[in-house]
Amino acid sequence: DAGVTQSPTHLIKTRGQQVTLRCSPKSGHDTVSWYQQALGQGPQFIFQYYEEEERQRGNFPDRFSGHQFPNYSSELNVNALLLGDSALYLCASSYPPTGTQYFGPGTRLTVL
Amino acid sequence: AQSVTQPDIHITVSEGASLELRCNYSYGATPYLFWYVQSPGQGLQLLLKYFSGDTLVQGIKGFEAEFKRSQSSFNLRKPSVHWSDAAEYFCAVLWRGGSGGSYIPTFGRGTSLIVHP
Repeated sequence: DAGVTQSPTHLIKTRGQQVTLRCSPKSGHDTVSWYQQALGQGPQFIFQYYEEEERQRGNFPDRFSGHQFPNYSSELNVNALLLGDSALYLCASSYPPTGTQYFGPGTRLTVL
Repeated sequence: AQSVTQPDIHITVSEGASLELRCNYSYGATPYLFWYVQSPGQGLQLLLKYFSGDTLVQGIKGFEAEFKRSQSSFNLRKPSVHWSDAAEYFCAVLWRGGSGGSYIPTFGRGTSLIVHP
């Protein structure tokens, strides 16, 4: 049984560019949450997707957007990248939305 | 605002010694409580969770945690630490406060565990 997978593993972008990160949930899970983890910090909740809709959102600007597909996989999009967006982006899946979250290995985004 | 505090940024213990990592939360009701571990360059792995019932919770890898409502705490313990336990530990709460009464996750900043041989 595959766990949560994320792609790509690493990504380097420049300021002002746009990036898309991808996540496939654990088998049987229908809810995907995204987190940003800056170096030396705990994960910060970005948003959660359930039934292809954004259900909850943390304190992140509209530059951060997402999507969930019918197969429950999800994308995180970040526009107009800033240096401060450099972080490890973690995806977690669960069933149901309040169930235990299982995390993927993350995507390391570096903005130059 | 709801918050999770892990007061110790770093903890150093000798292999075989006991361990206690502290976690306090600020919330008007009892949230769902979790401890996760993160090895370098890895995602987070769930150690244990508390939803209700017995306030002493057993987890994987020999860890346990005790929920104390009066202290708003959920401290993680292990009686004998192994070198492989060296990692970053995060306390997290899931509290009810989102739109439609949904649940919002909040993590502490983490405690780095260093194990000396």
